[in-house]
Amino acid sequence: QSALTQPASVSGSPGQSITISCTGSNTDIGGYDYVSWYQQKPGKAPKLVIYGVNNRPSGVSNRFSGSKSGITASLTISGLQAEDEADYYCSSYTTYSSNWVFGGGTRLTVL
Amino acid sequence: QVQLVQSGAELKKPGASVKVSCTTSGYTFNDYYMHWVRQAPGQGLEWMGRINPKSGGTYKAQKFQGRITLTSEPSINTHYMELTTLTSDDTAIYYCARWDTSLLTGDYWGQGTLVTVSS
Repeated sequence: QSALTQPASVSGSPGQSITISCTGSNTDIGGYDYVSWYQQKPGKAPKLVIYGVNNRPSGVSNRFSGSKSGITASLTISGLQAEDEADYYCSSYTTYSSNWVFGGGTRLTVL
Repeated sequence: QVQLVQSGAELKKPGASVKVSCTTSGYTFNDYYMHWVRQAPGQGLEWMGRINPKSGGTYKAQKFQGRITLTSEPSINTHYMELTTLTSDDTAIYYCARWDTSLLTGDYWGQGTLVTVSS
């Protein structure tokens, strides 16, 4: 069982917006603004698309945005494109000694 | 540019051990912790442990205590993860991921190493 909870799947049509939620606790998401999101395509390593709740690394499309409220973080992808189809994982800094926890992942299907 | 290059795929028998390497370039080796994460087939990401290359200090997930060894060799900019007493449940892709202490996240990942445990 993952420390952070995500929906198993979401879907949307090209051009639409989707939001993926990620729920944790006060020892991770609720306690720090260090939520990250990763995109993973088949056969590839995870790729950082959001860090620090709502910051995008260089080269990541501005269609990706993040937010947080209490113990729940969200990833929004606007203007969905076929290339966005992938698994998305949230993660957070945590007070536990591991310092890093993950969500179980959400499969995004672009219809 | 930052690169993390891992060793190749491994096929191991139950009870054996595996040692995966992660060779880094493009940054100062001792300035960043390295975490190890694995992903079983069709499953999510599972955190395994981390190492501070400057001190050699490690912290490992309770699940792997006694079976995992994390080491670093600064002279060749390489990290290692060794897992012993393998079972079929250890069949997975193993990743190294650099931990950025200002972003407090893993910013760069290796390409992954597939470890298959089968008799």
